[in-house]
Amino acid sequence: QVQLVQSGAEVKKPGASVKVSCKTSGYSFPSHVISWVRQAPGQGLEWMGWITVSNGNTNYAQKVQGRVTMTTDTSTTTVYMELRSLRYDDTAVYYCARENEEATNFDYWGQGTLVTVSS
Amino acid sequence: SYVLTQPPSVSVVPGQTAKISCGGNNIESKSVHWYQQKPGQAPVLVVYDDSDRPSGIPERFSGSNSGNTATLTISRVEAGDEADYYCQVWDTTTDYVFGTGTKVSVL
Repeated sequence: QVQLVQSGAEVKKPGASVKVSCKTSGYSFPSHVISWVRQAPGQGLEWMGWITVSNGNTNYAQKVQGRVTMTTDTSTTTVYMELRSLRYDDTAVYYCARENEEATNFDYWGQGTLVTVSS
Repeated sequence: SYVLTQPPSVSVVPGQTAKISCGGNNIESKSVHWYQQKPGQAPVLVVYDDSDRPSGIPERFSGSNSGNTATLTISRVEAGDEADYYCQVWDTTTDYVFGTGTKVSVL
């Protein structure tokens, strides 16, 4: 079955970087785009960007453009999201989500990774 | 940028019907998808392409889309339906957009 398993919670200081992993299994890795979505405490869902696994193309939301990098490792079918220059308002649960074949919605999600930015 | 507006909360008695609206400019021209998120859990897709259900989602969940409003309808509401619900579309200018979210409370 399709699974997306994310790395564990992180606590970082302002200005630092964090790299979250998303290990996928149960489907053809190159066939689906992976997006990252975050959710600040008590808030709604915010799309951050996507990566086309087959060719590495990326597209980032304007809000995090310049601070985020999404990459893949095809040998381990893992997707990574690195966020730099962390700010207090980056504190959130970060989800990886598989896009459906038409790339219009998210049919499978990781369990989420809490990133806390605190001094 | 494209904005999706949902009511903050909806309350419903068990066995009755809950309707959650999602407003957006000419939303009927877009495919709308709905997610259910229970506390501490990742979102789950419950309706896609306006009115289709993924496998495993009960028929009690249905959707519609017309004019400037899309609607998720939960029939014969159960206690286990208590959750936050988000609508989502794909827009050519802003990529993926989520609604503001609606908390469904089962009284």
